[in-house]
Amino acid sequence: QKEVEQNSGPLSVPEGAIASLNCTYSDRGSQSFFWYRQYSGKSPELIMFIYSNGDKEDGRFTAQLNKASQYVSLLIRDSQPSDSATYLCAVKDRGRRALTFGSGTRLQVQP
Amino acid sequence: GAGVSQSPRYKVAKRGQDVALRCDPISGHVSLFWYQQALGQGPEFLTYFQNEAQLDKSGLPSDRFFAERPEGSVSTLKIQRTQQEDSAVYLCASRQGDSPLHFGNGTRLTVT
Repeated sequence: QKEVEQNSGPLSVPEGAIASLNCTYSDRGSQSFFWYRQYSGKSPELIMFIYSNGDKEDGRFTAQLNKASQYVSLLIRDSQPSDSATYLCAVKDRGRRALTFGSGTRLQVQP
Repeated sequence: GAGVSQSPRYKVAKRGQDVALRCDPISGHVSLFWYQQALGQGPEFLTYFQNEAQLDKSGLPSDRFFAERPEGSVSTLKIQRTQQEDSAVYLCASRQGDSPLHFGNGTRLTVT
């Protein structure tokens, strides 16, 4: 079982809708959780990070963490065509410096 | 520098050739990471440096892969006797302390 699981998609949503991206992780000791956006042919760029259970909001983005269920999600409100990209979930385990990435979910926002 | 710089941007190698990929991290960043990203996959961890010390090389797929950071700044990832399965984008990232990772634009390696 991969340590960080994401649905590969594509997830297609109409412009203006809420996009919901999900990620599960296997290590209960994981401490920090990150969402990266990656446009085709470009490097990953950080969208949000979350450490504590609950919600964290930043503009149109909300990260949600449920450590009991080992689940982290990213909500994108008022989705725009420019949000079309692959979204990578990454987890930092206790005692490790490196992040473990999922395979990413491709999001398509239809104009 | 302003960001993490990687070179070359693209590299085509014949199977069996050796290649060297360079990473210039953000100035002052102590931590440096190498990741390998195959097409359609997420980045896979290769190795981690803190200054010049290679503290974790558990992700290097074989002994053909070697990384160094002799003066604690620029790092080189070397792949000997390249194979087709080495074709991927190699990403370098750096950070200071617990700040978020900053990625370079990557080197796309194609082994023919």
